[in-house]
Formats: sequence, structure tokens, C-alpha cells
Amino acid sequence: SQQGEEDPQALSIQEGENATMNCSYKTSINNLQWYRQNSGRGLVHLILIRSNEREKHSGRLRVTLDTSKKSSSLLITASRAADTASYFCATDANAGGTSYGKLTFGQGTILTVHP
Amino acid sequence: SAVISQKPSRDICQRGTSLTIQCQVDSQVTMMFWYRQQPGQSLTLIATANQGSEATYESGFVIDKFPISRPNLTFSTLTVSNMSPEDSSIYLCSVGFKAGGADTQYFGPGTRLTVL
Repeated sequence: SQQGEEDPQALSIQEGENATMNCSYKTSINNLQWYRQNSGRGLVHLILIRSNEREKHSGRLRVTLDTSKKSSSLLITASRAADTASYFCATDANAGGTSYGKLTFGQGTILTVHP
Repeated sequence: SAVISQKPSRDICQRGTSLTIQCQVDSQVTMMFWYRQQPGQSLTLIATANQGSEATYESGFVIDKFPISRPNLTFSTLTVSNMSPEDSSIYLCSVGFKAGGADTQYFGPGTRLTVL
């Protein structure tokens, strides 16, 4: 089974700086999703990018996907202390181009934003 | 959007006992899933909860250890049976469906289980 790997494992920045997290995976996917988790609580869905898309934006978030390299990046611009959390990528390899929640998660990046 | 609740939110249990976790969704959904997140780790899919039929388990997870019920399209339970300290984890249910043409995933708040 595929397993996402993320780097860095931990990232510490100052408020206002940009944060970039990377994710790699091993098999073909239909889409890749990014989630945020605060202090071991439930996950919050941030953004989904389909395999035929290369870049997607949502507010201060920018996600890229390179299927030839089997990698994705999440950029958070103008970070805030409230962005402090763990960030996970998750891949959906289900057939049919639709996502039904059967996801394979990366190991996550712990982001700390200092005020 | 979907609102998912889980009960209990946390529990401390003794070795050898069982705990049933409930997941309630505020709308009907086709797909419901159960994930485990061990301390300091990422999420691992346990099984897909199928309405009206037996759950589909991922490699490494078996029905005897993690029996799942899905009596309708808004509710599911996961039981962690004959618990050991290694079962200490956060257990999360999730649902996946299309909303407004976009794929949307929602996760419950999780149940934090500690086994002594």
C-alpha cells in the first residue's frame, strides 16, 4: 500500500512568514488532500487537488501537485499563530475519479508559528 | 456541510474490557469510515462501515477485534474489543460525499482512548 511522506517533520517560523510543507506518495492517485489537526483533535479539511490539476488556491493556502514526481506542496502565506497545528496530506487512489474518504495519510508536519 | 459527533470524547479503560464508540452524522451519507491515530502518529484506516452489510476491513484489522455496525445512513459504531495498552489511540470516524459538485471529507472530533 502507498504511504505518504511529508517533510519537514517539524517547522518553526515567525508570524508573517510563509510556511511550505511537502508531501510525496508512491502510487497513482485520483486526488490529494490536505488536512489540519490541532492538538490531537479532529481533522479539518483544507483543500483537495485532483490528479489533473497542477495548482489550487484557497485564501492563504496554495497547493501544487506534480504527478510526474508524485509530490505535492502546501504553502501557507503570511502565517499566523493560529496556524500552529499538524498538517497532513492524504491521497485517494479510488477508481472513478471520486473521493469517498478511503484515504492514505502522510506522517504529517508539525507547524509552530511564533507570535 | 456535515456535522459529525462522536461519543465518548475520551475514556480510560482497563485491559481486557471493550469500548463502543458512536459516530452520528447530521445528514445521510453513503460512505463512513473509521480511522485510528496512535500517539504521535498519522491516521490509519481501520475499515469502511457499509450500511446493511458487513464492514470492509483494511490489512491488519479484523472484525473480532474491531466489530463495526452501520444500522442506517447517519450512524455507526466501532467497538474496540479485549483492549490492551497498545490500543490507546484516537479513533476518528469520517464521511465522504459530494457537496455542490466538489468532493468533501469530514472528520469527527475523535475519541481519545487510554487503556491501562
